[in-house]
Parts: sequence; C-alpha cells; structure tokens
Amino acid sequence: GAGVSQSPRYKVAKRGQDVALRCDPISGHVSLFWYQQALGQGPEFLTYFQNEAQLDKSGLPSDRFFAERPEGSVSTLKIQRTQQEDSAVYLCASSLPTRQGTGNTIYFGEGSWLTVV
Amino acid sequence: KNQVEQSPQSLIILEGKNCTLQCNYTVSPFSNLRWYKQDTGRGPVSLTIMTFSENTKSNGRYTATLDADTKQSSLHITASQLSDSASYICVVKGGSQGNLIFGKGTKLSVKP
Repeated sequence: GAGVSQSPRYKVAKRGQDVALRCDPISGHVSLFWYQQALGQGPEFLTYFQNEAQLDKSGLPSDRFFAERPEGSVSTLKIQRTQQEDSAVYLCASSLPTRQGTGNTIYFGEGSWLTVV
Repeated sequence: KNQVEQSPQSLIILEGKNCTLQCNYTVSPFSNLRWYKQDTGRGPVSLTIMTFSENTKSNGRYTATLDADTKQSSLHITASQLSDSASYICVVKGGSQGNLIFGKGTKLSVKP
C-alpha cells in the first residue's frame, strides 16, 4: 500500500477484555516498530521486528502485551485483560532494511486509539 | 540515561511569524536526529533526518540545525501558516540498542 495502515482506528474496550491491533506496513519494509503514545506525550517504544523475527521487545510494559509478525509483513499487537492505563494511541511504523542504518526514514501509521472503560 | 528534552512545551504565534523550537539530548552513542510533525489525531510525519556530520538541513519552510558537540538541535519555521499548527517531535536514534528516543514534543499553535 501507499502507507502504513492500522486498524481499527478507534477501539473502546471494557476493562478485562482482550484486544488485537493490526498493522500493515509499507510493502517491502523489513523493519516494523510498535509504539505507545499517551495523551500529550511522545511515543514510547514497545517492540521491533526485522522480518518475522522479534528482535527487541524490551518496551512491552507487561506480559499482557504480545506482538507477532508471523510472515514478515502484517503485524498484530495483542493486549490481554486490558486495564485503564492501557488507554493510549498505539502507533505502528515501518522502514527499509537494517535497523542500524543511518538515515532510513521511518514511516508511521495513523495509530489505533484504544480507550479502556 | 538516554533522554531527549524539548522546549518550549507549547507555543502560540501569529500567522506569518517565524519561530524556533529547541531540542537537547543526552543520547550516546549518537546515530542521527530526526524532527517529526504530528497533527492532532494523526501519526508522526518525518520532516528532516540529520547525521553527525550535518549542521543544517532544510525542508521547505522548515530548517533544522544540529550541534553534535553541545548535543542541541533546533527547528526553525519561517513564515508560519495555519497548517503548521501541530506537535513537533524531536527524535534521536542511538544508544546501545540503536533505538529511537522521542522527546515529548512542542505543541505549536498558529493563530490568524
């Protein structure tokens, strides 16, 4: 596609409910990132994939958060037993190969807005 | 600790005026510095990427500067337009993991 596509754009979940957020990266982009952005804050790193390999998941706040990218393209961020503090925008981003490369533009999706009530 | 600090937190200017946003960082080792524009309710969009050897880079009415010695960057917006109203986020790529480290952003409001 032309850009990074995320769905759903908006999700209201009851506390305790499981949610799944989907990210379609730009075609050919090897690197995929998930970020969490609270209201009025900058994005915070959650996890990073290179193809289907999850190379860094150090930012996942708890074991209720799980991300996968089984075929190296579409990725899903799953949050189990949602809590109110999970309310945030979840941003997906993708870029061309090599994380260590300097200067690769990272393209963000529009985000999935999660509200836990 | 690797951090990116931005100032001011928010800024209101009149249409047509210039403004400068500041970014200080303590990220080491440093790879590159990026400025993003984030409209309300949208994802961040890249404005500039600067590596260690670059002192200035322009993108239309946006000009970014980088002083790697003092670990400071600025984003200068010339002849502001109403559509420039957004949050401007400074992002430094670096640290031992090569992560992107985001500032909290400066919220710019351009008034007619």
